[in-house]
Amino acid sequence: EAGVAQSPRYKIIEKRQSVAFWCNPISGHATLYWYQQILGQGPKLLIQFQNNGVVDDSQLPKDRFSAERLKGVDSTLKIQPAKLEDSAVYLCASSLDHGGTDTQYFGPGTRLTVL
Amino acid sequence: KNEVEQSPQNLTAQEGEFITINCSYSVGISALHWLQQHPGGGIVSLFMLSSGKKKHGRLIATINIQEKHSSLHITASHPRDSAVYICAAHKGAQKLVFGQGTRLTINP
Repeated sequence: EAGVAQSPRYKIIEKRQSVAFWCNPISGHATLYWYQQILGQGPKLLIQFQNNGVVDDSQLPKDRFSAERLKGVDSTLKIQPAKLEDSAVYLCASSLDHGGTDTQYFGPGTRLTVL
Repeated sequence: KNEVEQSPQNLTAQEGEFITINCSYSVGISALHWLQQHPGGGIVSLFMLSSGKKKHGRLIATINIQEKHSSLHITASHPRDSAVYICAAHKGAQKLVFGQGTRLTINP
């Protein structure tokens, strides 16, 4: 079974530039999560999708971050414009259903460096 | 104060030692995860537990719901166990709240 795929693996941009990350969850997984993990900290949930609908985006900085999952399968996360403090690893995860305590499967992450 | 706290933040031990990583949480939870993150790698789920104890190979996870505390133990530790171990609590139905992680280094 293929795991959660993410691309790119690494990205270096200058502040005020835009960047987009892509995630393809495990086939059949209804729930998709985007997390931000700053160095030395645990992941922080940015947004959670159930199929193509948003379940939780309370911690998404909506003035600069956006995410979509138009067809309920793969998803993109965009930052526009980027700030220095956005440097982090962006993790995508998926689970079978949002029935409470389903195991989340994580992708390898995208390491973003903002200069 | 974070809702999920881990200790220690960093742990260095010699190969073969018994390792314990602790996790305390201050919120009501439906389940607790222990995750492993290798440098440059993704996160792997080790255990999900809501009561008692689970064992997989050299790894053991326990949880005490009354005391809001969980521990991850590694027996006969090996350098390949070196990683960041993260405790994450299911708060309510869906939201996963993560601890800050414990960086474990096992020296040969």
